[in-house]
Amino acid sequence: GQQVMQIPQYQHVQEGEDFTTYCNSSTTLSNIQWYKQRPGGHPVFLIQLVKSGEVKKQKRLTFQFGEAKKNSSLHITATQTTDVGTYFCAGTGGYQKVTFGIGTKLQVIP
Amino acid sequence: NAGVTQTPKFRILKIGQSMTLQCAQDMNHNYMYWYRQDPGMGLKLIYYSVGAGITDKGEVPNGYNVSRSTTEDFPLRLELAAPSQTSVYFCASSYREVNTEAFFGQGTRLTVV
Repeated sequence: GQQVMQIPQYQHVQEGEDFTTYCNSSTTLSNIQWYKQRPGGHPVFLIQLVKSGEVKKQKRLTFQFGEAKKNSSLHITATQTTDVGTYFCAGTGGYQKVTFGIGTKLQVIP
Repeated sequence: NAGVTQTPKFRILKIGQSMTLQCAQDMNHNYMYWYRQDPGMGLKLIYYSVGAGITDKGEVPNGYNVSRSTTEDFPLRLELAAPSQTSVYFCASSYREVNTEAFFGQGTRLTVV
């Protein structure tokens, strides 16, 4: 079945450092979405990528969708304490099935 | 605009008890979902619905039941609660199944003892 692997599972960074999380799918995706979940909160939609090689930016966040549409990344430049949380990718594959990655828990040390 | 509302926020159940987790959305979304999130894990789909009167199993449906009598409501029923059902449960809705963002409720933290 469709699997979406996400690494790393945990990441601690000093405030101001950069952070990247990666998603890899076992199958070609039609799109990928990214969500952020603050500690004790619920997932909140960040962005959706649809096109091969697509790159989108939201302030300090850069999202990429691979050329083969099987991988994606989220990069945060100069992390801040407000970036703390768990970042999930969710890929849509065959039969329009949406599979969430395990998430990357980001801790930012002031 | 409430979005997706889940009740209760917290619940402790004894083994073998039953309960219903309530979920309501006011965005007129056709698609609704129930996920469970175990510590350090991602979201696992329990059941989903593409519209009133239509439901289908997700990845981990055993031990749960759902109904969708209206567009707004999508309750999740736990029969004979087991410790393995200790988890955080999220309800979500979306306008379409794909290519649209999912809106999540605040979650229900369930402990089965």
